[in-house]
Amino acid sequence: AQSVTQLDSQVPVFEEAPVELRCNYSSSVSVYLFWYVQYPNQGLQLLLKYLSGSTLVKGINGFEAEFNKSQTSFHLRKPSVHISDTAEYFCAVSSNTGFQKLVFGTGTRLLVSP
Amino acid sequence: DSGVTQTPKHLITATGQRVTLRCSPRSGDLSVYWYQQSLDQGLQFLIQYYNGEERAKGNILERFSAQQFPDLHSELNLSSLELGDSALYFCASSVRDSSYEQYFGPGTRLTVT
Repeated sequence: AQSVTQLDSQVPVFEEAPVELRCNYSSSVSVYLFWYVQYPNQGLQLLLKYLSGSTLVKGINGFEAEFNKSQTSFHLRKPSVHISDTAEYFCAVSSNTGFQKLVFGTGTRLLVSP
Repeated sequence: DSGVTQTPKHLITATGQRVTLRCSPRSGDLSVYWYQQSLDQGLQFLIQYYNGEERAKGNILERFSAQQFPDLHSELNLSSLELGDSALYFCASSVRDSSYEQYFGPGTRLTVT
């Protein structure tokens, strides 16, 4: 079974500042890792995913994440945030074999202020 | 726009009632997944169907059931509703069976009063 921990429930940041949203996972098998974004009153949108290969993955809207197997982490970063990045961000994990159920973390609310 | 549609957008009902939530997957997608997002439980997987057959179950209550029809749309039935069932219910779809590559609909917000 897999589990995901997002330690920060809310991250306030000023516009144009860098941000890092933390995600740690636990799994007894090899995994795929994902970050989703949920804007107010909308569904989830895939930001980026790690399946294999380079541990640094780039996604949409200038976000990137780094897979660290030894630390079982998959932190999301953006060098300069915009007001429009205000949203809820979910880290998710799935097994890379068999039933690839997505297991989500509890989410981190990113609040970008001017 | 993911191509997944869900109706209704909002639903307000009373305890003890029964409701049906509807999901139409993206064109060509054969799998449908249902998720519940609540404040206390977070985002949880409920159930998955592939081409009309149930494939996997998650934390779905016995009061809840789902089905996928020949035209591939799916319905989630919630009965004997309780206050704690108030949540956002998402549907997602994928081309393949049991795939991580899921596309999410906008959700149905259920409020039980």
